[in-house]
Amino acid sequence: GENVEQHPSTLSVQEGDSAVIKCTYSDSASNYFPWYKQELGKRPQLIIDIRSNVGEKKDQRIAVTLNKTAKHFSLHITETQPEDSAVYFCAAQAGGGFKTIFGAGTRLFVKA
Amino acid sequence: DVKVTQSSRYLVKRTGEKVFLECVQDMDHENMFWYRQDPGLGLRLIYFSYDVKMKEKGDIPEGYSVSREKKERFSLILESASTNQTSMYLCASSSTGVTDTQYFGPGTRLTVL
Repeated sequence: GENVEQHPSTLSVQEGDSAVIKCTYSDSASNYFPWYKQELGKRPQLIIDIRSNVGEKKDQRIAVTLNKTAKHFSLHITETQPEDSAVYFCAAQAGGGFKTIFGAGTRLFVKA
Repeated sequence: DVKVTQSSRYLVKRTGEKVFLECVQDMDHENMFWYRQDPGLGLRLIYFSYDVKMKEKGDIPEGYSVSREKKERFSLILESASTNQTSMYLCASSSTGVTDTQYFGPGTRLTVL
């Protein structure tokens, strides 16, 4: 079946450094790739997304890149801050919004 | 602001009990989803619904059923709870055709003893 692999499972960086989380997906019909952030004890919330007709999208300190040929997409966080500490989930979705496959999550620690 | 609410934040039940988890959204979304979240496994889809009275199995439907009698409400039912159903349950909703973003509820942490 379809799956999304996410790496690394845990990432620890120093405040101010960059963090990169990588995902690969298997379903070539996937055309929407959201990233969710889940702070401790809270619900997942969308932080950025990208559609298959775009190779890169940026929103302040976060950016996402997509390589449809290789079925890879990545989240980049620059100038990390302690409040970036959370679990990040990538996901892949085929058209229609019906079924989203999530990665296993990356726990990011930003050390002050 | 999209609001997705779940009936309980914490629930403790005994093995064999019937358990109802309720989810309500106030944004007239067509699609609703139930996930369970376990450490190291991410979010796994149990069931989803794209319209009233419609339901589709997700990746792990065994031991669960759902009900969607009204557009705003999606219920997850554990007919006979078992200890391996101890988990965090998250409900989500999304709108078809406008945006694919899923909005999540706060989650219900269910413990089955």
